[in-house]
Amino acid sequence: GIQVEQSPPDLILQEGANSTLRCNFSDSVNNLQWFHQNPWGQLINLFYIPSGTKQNGRLSATTVATERYSLLYISSSQTTDSGVYFCAASGAGSYQLTFGKGTKLSVIP
Amino acid sequence: DADVTQTPRNRITKTGKRIMLECSQTKGHDRMYWYRQDPGLGLRLIYYSFDVKDINKGEISDGYSVSRQAQAKFSLSLESAIPNQTALYFCATESTVTYEQYFGPGTRLTVT
Repeated sequence: GIQVEQSPPDLILQEGANSTLRCNFSDSVNNLQWFHQNPWGQLINLFYIPSGTKQNGRLSATTVATERYSLLYISSSQTTDSGVYFCAASGAGSYQLTFGKGTKLSVIP
Repeated sequence: DADVTQTPRNRITKTGKRIMLECSQTKGHDRMYWYRQDPGLGLRLIYYSFDVKDINKGEISDGYSVSRQAQAKFSLSLESAIPNQTALYFCATESTVTYEQYFGPGTRLTVT
């Protein structure tokens, strides 16, 4: 099946800083999503982005399908951005999302 | 009100006991999923269902069973719980229009 790798595993930022999280995948994808898991465990869908670029407020994401990676950008980070960010993908012919191990982001005041 | 709800939110049970985790949704989605999350790891798929007559095994279905009682309800059972099934369990729905997945709040299960 498809392999999903995220980097960095941990990231500590000062409030107000920008960051880029990366997701590499091993095969062509028909589905790629970014999720945020807050410190209380709730998982929130951020983007469905198998290709192209999307923006939602301070967050944006870009997937370059031909080069098999996706990037999540967080600008002007806030303490509420803390948590774990997961990338998940499924390959052609599959409906099963494979999750990466996540990037744990800590934003300090 | 939450669109995807899970009960119970926390459960402690003993080895060998049968336990059922329940999931209900008001999003009107046909597709539903059960995942488990272990500390420091991503989520792994246990079972999924695309409608009430469709049940499919995921990556780690051994030791689990599911029931899709209605479009809105999808239950996960552990027939004989074992300690390595201690984990955080999530139910999710998926839109067939946007393909986005929406998660419940999770059930923290401890098997002693």
